[in-house]
Amino acid sequence: AQSVSQHNHHVILSEAASLELGCNYSYGGTVNLFWYVQYPGQHLQLLLKYFSGDPLVKGIKGFEAEFIKSKFSFNLRKPSVQWSDTAEYFCAARETGANNLFFGTGTRLTVIP
Amino acid sequence: DAEITQSPRHKITETGRQVTLACHQTWNHNNMFWYRQDLGHGLRLIHYSYGVQDTNKGEVSDGYSVSRSNTEDLPLTLESAASSQTSVYFCASSLNRDDIQYFGAGTRLSVL
Repeated sequence: AQSVSQHNHHVILSEAASLELGCNYSYGGTVNLFWYVQYPGQHLQLLLKYFSGDPLVKGIKGFEAEFIKSKFSFNLRKPSVQWSDTAEYFCAARETGANNLFFGTGTRLTVIP
Repeated sequence: DAEITQSPRHKITETGRQVTLACHQTWNHNNMFWYRQDLGHGLRLIHYSYGVQDTNKGEVSDGYSVSRSNTEDLPLTLESAASSQTSVYFCASSLNRDDIQYFGAGTRLSVL
């Protein structure tokens, strides 16, 4: 069965530090990949997505992610985090053409001012 | 503005009671989904619908049911609430199968 793994459960960074959150998926076929963010008390919002084309995807708020097919990875990056980036980040994947999204367990990011 | 709304935002109920969580979207999306969010599990799919009168079981459907009588609404019913169903429930919708899913604000349910 398809699964998504996020190995970092809780990451604590100081403002201006660089961020990289890992995401690996298990499905061997063509996939669509997503990063969602959930700010405290709010609903999930889409940060960025990869469907096809350039494997380096830029999203909102300065986030980007790189799809590396050979590693089954879709890591999220940001060169300089801000206190307002404190949130929980979810990676998700689905087989192309399917509807079911599979989510990782999430990574809680705490940014210290 | 079009949106997806869930109600109630918070609910406390007792074991054995029937509970219905509402989800309403005004985007005219074909597809609607219910997820539960639990610590250590992320979001898991409960049920989903591709259109009116269509419903499908997801990964964790036991103890839950849905019905889709119109495009806008997909209520989630817990027939006999159990403590294991204490969770945060999110509804989502998408226009078509390959589209992005948009999420509601969530319902926090406590079963005592």
